[in-house]
Amino acid sequence: NAGVMQNPRHLVRRRGQEARLRCSPMKGHSHVYWYRQLPEEGLKFMVYLQKENIIDESGMPKERFSAEFPKEGPSILRIQQVVRGDSAAYFCASSPAGLGSREQFFGPGTRLTVL
Amino acid sequence: KQEVTQIPAALSVPEGENLVLNCSFTDSAIYNLQWFRQDPGKGLTSLLLIQSSQREQTSGRLNASLDKSSGRSTLYIAASQPGDSATYLCALQGGSEKLVFGKGTKLTVNP
Repeated sequence: NAGVMQNPRHLVRRRGQEARLRCSPMKGHSHVYWYRQLPEEGLKFMVYLQKENIIDESGMPKERFSAEFPKEGPSILRIQQVVRGDSAAYFCASSPAGLGSREQFFGPGTRLTVL
Repeated sequence: KQEVTQIPAALSVPEGENLVLNCSFTDSAIYNLQWFRQDPGKGLTSLLLIQSSQREQTSGRLNASLDKSSGRSTLYIAASQPGDSATYLCALQGGSEKLVFGKGTKLTVNP
């Protein structure tokens, strides 16, 4: 059973470009979470999605950031018109649906560098 | 609003020593608590998860405890090894699904 997969692992963008980060949850998991880790900072929650639904986006910046988790395919975190302050490691996690431990399993992250 | 604090921010110990990492939190209404390990430039590896109704969990040389009444958790590492060197993160899950993380303790185990 493959773990959470994220690609690309490293992404370099120039200011003003768009960044698209992909996350494939573990098999059988239908809950996806995105977190951001800024340099020298802790991980901060961004958004929680289930298939075709955004459940909690309280941690998402109001502008330029969006996320989706379509019925088919990976979850996408999209950052439009990137700025240097967006440089960070972006982690995706997944958990299974239903009752239970709700343990979250993390992917290896995408490290975004904005030049 | 849940706040999670980890002390110390960094810890250096000689190989073989037993050690304790601390995590404190402000809101005791939690669903569970997870301890993670993060190696430089890598993702997070889940070490232990303690449910709200539990007091401790053990895995190999690791033991994590949870005391909701005092808002504290500890991660005990026995007989530390150089391979244990990493940043250890404490994270809490409350009524919402999101995890709230501490900033971590960077552990260095010297041979």
